[in-house]
Amino acid sequence: KNQVEQSPQSLIILEGKNCTLQCNYTVSPFSNLRWYKQDTGRGPVSLTIMTFSENTKSNGRYTATLDADTKQSSLHITASQLSDSASYICVVSEGDTNAGKSTFGDGTTLTVKP
Amino acid sequence: DARVTQTPRHKVTEMGQEVTMRCQPILGHNTVFWYRQTMMQGLELLAYFRNRAPLDDSGMPKDRFSAEMPDATLATLKIQPSEPRDSAVYFCASGTGQGSYEQYFGPGTRLTVT
Repeated sequence: KNQVEQSPQSLIILEGKNCTLQCNYTVSPFSNLRWYKQDTGRGPVSLTIMTFSENTKSNGRYTATLDADTKQSSLHITASQLSDSASYICVVSEGDTNAGKSTFGDGTTLTVKP
Repeated sequence: DARVTQTPRHKVTEMGQEVTMRCQPILGHNTVFWYRQTMMQGLELLAYFRNRAPLDDSGMPKDRFSAEMPDATLATLKIQPSEPRDSAVYFCASGTGQGSYEQYFGPGTRLTVT
């Protein structure tokens, strides 16, 4: 059964600090891995999308890594801001383009405190 | 700027009533997704369409849920009859499906069935 496990479940850090969120998956065959940020009361917003051949991708202060051999991904947030407080969801897809079967992680809830 | 829109944003209804949620995908996007999000289950894919044709609705309870795309600018998700366990936030997302894995989410419809 395809699974996506995220850790930690929740995290509290001080503003300005860095943090790393983890995503382990067993989805096969692998197509792509996406990280989303979801603010409370809003829809998820895409941060990064990585395919099999990509092992790192950045979007501003967000950097995602992918190790397709170990089936692990991480999302690193640099110099955190209060606005980074949100749920971060890892999604792994099999199949074609932006459809196909997607397996969602339960998310990591990040709280950034002043 | 182009956004996915969903109506209504909030809906409270009594058990047994019919509920219809609407989504307007981003103009030019040919792939539309319906998701449900609850605290217990996280994000779940209910159904998705490409070029208005349903490609996968295996995530949807068939006896009470139905999803359609009457035209390229409107997707609907209907629940009849609704039950308290249907209470959740329902998200619509759209994408281009042209070798892109990007999905753009709407703001969601928060459904409460009493």
